[in-house]
Amino acid sequence: NAGVTQTPKFQVLKTGQSMTLQCAQDMNHEYMSWYRQDPGMGLRLIHYSVGAGITDQGEVPNGYNVSRSTTEDFPLRLLSAAPSQTSVYFCASSIRQASSGNTIYFGEGSWLTVV
Amino acid sequence: GIQVEQSPPDLILQEGANSTLRCNFSDSVNNLQWFHQNPWGQLINLFYIPSGTKQNGRLSATTVATERYSLLYISSSQTTDSGVYFCAGVGAADSWGKLQFGAGTQVVVTP
Repeated sequence: NAGVTQTPKFQVLKTGQSMTLQCAQDMNHEYMSWYRQDPGMGLRLIHYSVGAGITDQGEVPNGYNVSRSTTEDFPLRLLSAAPSQTSVYFCASSIRQASSGNTIYFGEGSWLTVV
Repeated sequence: GIQVEQSPPDLILQEGANSTLRCNFSDSVNNLQWFHQNPWGQLINLFYIPSGTKQNGRLSATTVATERYSLLYISSSQTTDSGVYFCAGVGAADSWGKLQFGAGTQVVVTP
């Protein structure tokens, strides 16, 4: 049971390049999310999904695309990288439980630098 | 969505001290949770606490939903408690997956 796996852990991009951050979970969780974390700002929601084939925008979706073709995978695509997208990205998954809400499991993070 | 404010922004504790972290939220919120991010960046869910009080070892949390705040108590702090503590919740009108985080409280516990 690997939990939530994110790749790559570190990436340097040039402005204008595109890339995909991969996220996979093996816990059969229905909810998956992508957050970015910038200094002093906590985590901000980029996109989230409540199940395969269903995605919605979070607080800061511009410049990012997602899809959820399977329960396990939720990739985040940067279409044309900009220096403002330099950040740490976290993928998370959760399942809604009546007694404990939706306990969230986070990946280890992906450090992205856009130069 | 809801607004989530945490205080204080920074806290320095001597090992063994007790402390209280506060989380205020702007509107009715579901799914109020507390998280700890260790100095290596790992995020761990501490409590799901939409109302009432829960305890887990030296940590406990209380949420008073009607007054729109939650408190996280750290007792007999240890150096391993260092890191950033976040609270987060979902607005009553929002989808369950749309979690909103506060800016966090940075805690440093010194030996």
